Amino acid sequence: QSALTQPASVSGSPGQSITISCTGTSTNIGTLNFVTWYRQEPGKAPQVIIFDVNKRPSGISHRFSGSKSDNTASLTISGLQAEDEAEYYCCSYDGASSIYVFGAGTKVTVL
Amino acid sequence: QVQLVQSGAEVKKPGASVKVSCKASGHTLSNYNIHWVRQAPGQGRDWMGIIRPSGVTAYAPKFQGRVTMTRDTSTNTVDMDLKSLRSDDTAVYYCAREVDHSYNFDSWGQGTLVTV
Repeated sequence: QSALTQPASVSGSPGQSITISCTGTSTNIGTLNFVTWYRQEPGKAPQVIIFDVNKRPSGISHRFSGSKSDNTASLTISGLQAEDEAEYYCCSYDGASSIYVFGAGTKVTVL
Repeated sequence: QVQLVQSGAEVKKPGASVKVSCKASGHTLSNYNIHWVRQAPGQGRDWMGIIRPSGVTAYAPKFQGRVTMTRDTSTNTVDMDLKSLRSDDTAVYYCAREVDHSYNFDSWGQGTLVTV
């Protein structure tokens, strides 16, 4: 069982927006801004798409955005495209245990 | 181009140990924090620990006492040793680089499947 809770799957039609939630606790997401979202395709290495809750690395589309409210972080993909199909998972540093905790991952399907 | 290349798949018996290597190209591993993360089949991801440029390590409580991380600057490699293997250690093991205490991992190895 993962420390961060994500939905197993989210789907949307091309052009729509979808949001993936990631719920933690007051010792990680609730009080720290070290939330990272990764994208991973089968057989490939993970890629950072959002770090520090809402920052995008260079080269990542503006269609990806991150936010946080209380103990829940969210990843929004706007203008959904077929190429967005992948697994997305969240990660946060936990200040109480000094470890990194992960979500189980959300499979995004473009209908 | 930054690349982390891991050693190949391993099959081990319960109680044995395994070493997974992570070799860097395009950068000097010893300048960065290197983390190890694993994902068991159908399970979530577990952070296993970190080795800092100084060689100081910190391990997750779940793996404390069973895992050892070391670095070899001459070969630009970081190794992760896991002992007393159990069937539930069957997983894909990844090394990952953290830049400048950023709390995120910007470059990952391709993963190494360890089957117990």
